[in-house]
Amino acid sequence: RKEVEQDPGPFNVPEGATVAFNCTYSNSASQSFFWYRQDCRKEPKLLMSVYSSGNEDGRFTAQLNRASQYISLLIRDSKLSDSATYLCVVKPGSARQLTFGSGTQLTVLP
Amino acid sequence: DAGVIQSPRHEVTEMGQEVTLRCKPISGHDYLFWYRQTMMRGLELLIYFNNNVPIDDSGMPEDRFSAKMPNASFSTLKIQPSEPRDSAVYFCASSLHRGMETQYFGPGTRLLVL
Repeated sequence: RKEVEQDPGPFNVPEGATVAFNCTYSNSASQSFFWYRQDCRKEPKLLMSVYSSGNEDGRFTAQLNRASQYISLLIRDSKLSDSATYLCVVKPGSARQLTFGSGTQLTVLP
Repeated sequence: DAGVIQSPRHEVTEMGQEVTLRCKPISGHDYLFWYRQTMMRGLELLIYFNNNVPIDDSGMPEDRFSAKMPNASFSTLKIQPSEPRDSAVYFCASSLHRGMETQYFGPGTRLLVL
């Protein structure tokens, strides 16, 4: 079983739609959680951290459910520029390194 | 401020040849990571350094791969001899000790081994 699992998609949604991605992780000792974004043929970039209480950054909302070991990302009022691959990232316990999911591909259509 | 710099951006080589990838981290960052990304396996951590010292190289696929960090501003990843299955995008990333979850990635090197 992969340490971090995501639905690869692709998700094709019209502009203005709301879309949600889920991610599950296997290591219950994981301490930190993030969403990174990767545009086509570009490097990954941090989108947002995910806190236990949930957090929001404009149109983006991240949630963490430790009991079920899953993380979600909600994008409201999606824009064409949101088209990218979204990577779920977990930092297990005391480890220094990050573990990346394989990503969920989103295409926002005009 | 310059981000992480990688060179070359693209490399095409023949099986058996030596390949050297280079990385300059963001100035002041004390962690450096080397990743490999393929369609099949996603983004995999190969090795990471802290203050120029290799900390975990368990992700290095085999002895053909080696990495060095001779100083705080330069690192290399070498593949010798290269094989077609090494074809991938290789990313270098750096971070600060504090807040190291924010890793800043370089633009990557696209390697094709024929």
